[in-house]
Amino acid sequence: EVQLEQSGPEVKKPGESLKISCKASGYSFTTYWIAWVRHMPGKGLEWMGVIFPSDSDTRYSPSFQGQVTMSADKSINTAYLQFSSLKASDTAIYYCARRGYMDVWGQGTTVTVSS
Amino acid sequence: DIQMTQSPSSLSASVGDRVTITCRASQDISNFLAWFQHMPGKAPKSLIYAASTLQHGVPSKFSGGRSGTDFTLTIISLQPEDFATYYCQQYDSYPFTFGGGTKVEIK
Repeated sequence: EVQLEQSGPEVKKPGESLKISCKASGYSFTTYWIAWVRHMPGKGLEWMGVIFPSDSDTRYSPSFQGQVTMSADKSINTAYLQFSSLKASDTAIYYCARRGYMDVWGQGTTVTVSS
Repeated sequence: DIQMTQSPSSLSASVGDRVTITCRASQDISNFLAWFQHMPGKAPKSLIYAASTLQHGVPSKFSGGRSGTDFTLTIISLQPEDFATYYCQQYDSYPFTFGGGTKVEIK
């Protein structure tokens, strides 16, 4: 079964850093792009960007370029989304999903940033 | 960036109704259009890709259509489990973009 398993919920303070993960199983991790999607409370879905795990080629939405870093470790079939200095406005659920048309989704990681 | 204009933003319908949601792309995206269902507290679920191809396991009550840069998602015979928010998404060119969503509520 194809699955994306995301890391657990996080509660952080403004200014802290964070790296959340998305572990793939049931398929060849290096074959498909992995996308990241943000869902802020009460808002719509936002496409953040994608990474191709085979060579770590990344494409960011201009809205998120410079705000987050996507990476992947193909030795452990895991993609990452990293924040260097969190803000309260980063409070959201972050999803990873497979392929451009996102056929398989992770369960989401809730990130809460509050002082 | 390609803008995806989704309408309506919300609608009320009864069990058994047929509903249609529309998504208009700001430029040609061929058929690189996907639809998702999002229920509160759950991850979004892929329904359709390539404008009209149902994902494996998605019931045929869902269907997708295309006319130029206009795309539709039709749901027939609404059931309680279909009340959710639906999103379109273009994956023709970066940055990929979502429509604003349509919340389907029980009348």
